[in-house]
Parts: sequence; C-alpha cells; structure tokens
Amino acid sequence: RKEVEQDPGPFNVPEGATVAFNCTYSNSASQSFFWYRQDCRKEPKLLMSVYSSGNEDGRFTAQLNRASQYISLLIRDSKLSDSATYLCVVTPSSNTGKLIFGQGTTLQVKP
Amino acid sequence: EPEVTQTPSHQVTQMGQEVILRCVPISNHLYFYWYRQILGQKVEFLVSFYNNEISEKSEIFDDQFSVERPDGSNFTLKIRSTKLEDSAMYFCASSWGGGSTEAFFGQGTRLTVV
Repeated sequence: RKEVEQDPGPFNVPEGATVAFNCTYSNSASQSFFWYRQDCRKEPKLLMSVYSSGNEDGRFTAQLNRASQYISLLIRDSKLSDSATYLCVVTPSSNTGKLIFGQGTTLQVKP
Repeated sequence: EPEVTQTPSHQVTQMGQEVILRCVPISNHLYFYWYRQILGQKVEFLVSFYNNEISEKSEIFDDQFSVERPDGSNFTLKIRSTKLEDSAMYFCASSWGGGSTEAFFGQGTRLTVV
C-alpha cells in the first residue's frame, strides 16, 4: 500500500465550481499533514496545514480524519489561477522534518 | 521574502560523471533537505540534515550520494558516477525546525544524465 495515496485526476472544472480532493495515508503514527501546491515544473509550495478540527483559508478548506487516515481539500469558487497539481503530504513519526508526498491531483480550471 | 536558492537551474552530465548540486538555504533555518522528482512521478525524500550531520535518509540515498555543508551558507548534494536513472529534478528545502515546521523549497535543479 502506498504511504500517501491520491486520485491523480485530472479534474477539469469550470470557473466558479467547487472541487474536492481526497487523500489517504497508511501510517497511523503520522504526525503532521499538509496540502502543497505544485505548478508545472516548479517547486512545491505550502498551501495549508491540516488539523483534526478542520481549517479554512479563504476559499480553501482542509479536513483531517485520523480514525480513517483520510485528508481532504475543498476549493470553492475555483479560479483559473487555481490550476495546478495539489500534493497531499504527511510527516512520519520521526521528528526530522521528512515529508512524504502523494503523487498529486491535477486540477485544470477552464473559463 | 527570504528564499532557498539552487544552482545551477539545469545541469547536463555524461553517465559516470560526478555532479554537485548547490543550495543556499534560508539563513536562520536549521534543517536542510534534498528531494528529487523524476518526471511524471511524485516528490521523493532523499535526506535530511541537522546539526552538521545526516538525521535521516531514504533507501534511494545510497553510497552514490553525499551531502555537505561546507560553510555557513551552502548545502550541497554530490552524486557520484551518475546513471541515466538519476535524471530528475532535485529540490533543496530548509526549515527552521523539524517536525511540522513549514519547509521552503528551492526552485530546483534539473539534472539530465546522457
């Protein structure tokens, strides 16, 4: 089983749509959870951390379900500029800062 | 805004040669990392470095690879006897702390082994 698993997509949505991405992780001892964004051939950039209580940043909402080992990202009112690959990322139980990436879900927002 | 810088942006090398990829982490950061991303694949952890030593490394990071912090600002990845399958984007990252602290990535070095 992959350490972090995501539906690769692509998700093709019109501007203004709401889109949801899901992610599962295999190690129940994982400590921290993130969504990163990666534009084509660029470096990953932190979009937001994910907390068990759920957290929101503008149009973006992230949720974590530790019991199900499941992470989600909801994007409301999609913009053309949201087109990118969204990476689900976890840290293992070690405290070295190592990040474990999913393969990413590609989003294409169309006018 | 402080950023992680990597040089060169693109390196082409012949199979069997040695390459050194260079990174300048953010100045007050204490943890340093190398990741790689083969084209079309996921970002993979290679190594983490703290307090002038390797704190964790992956199975990919075998004897072919080494890291060094030769001075107070640079962090290098050396790949000896490069192979075709080493062709990838290599990202350097740094963070102030380990664990859940945000990691900042450099723009990457695209390594092409021919």
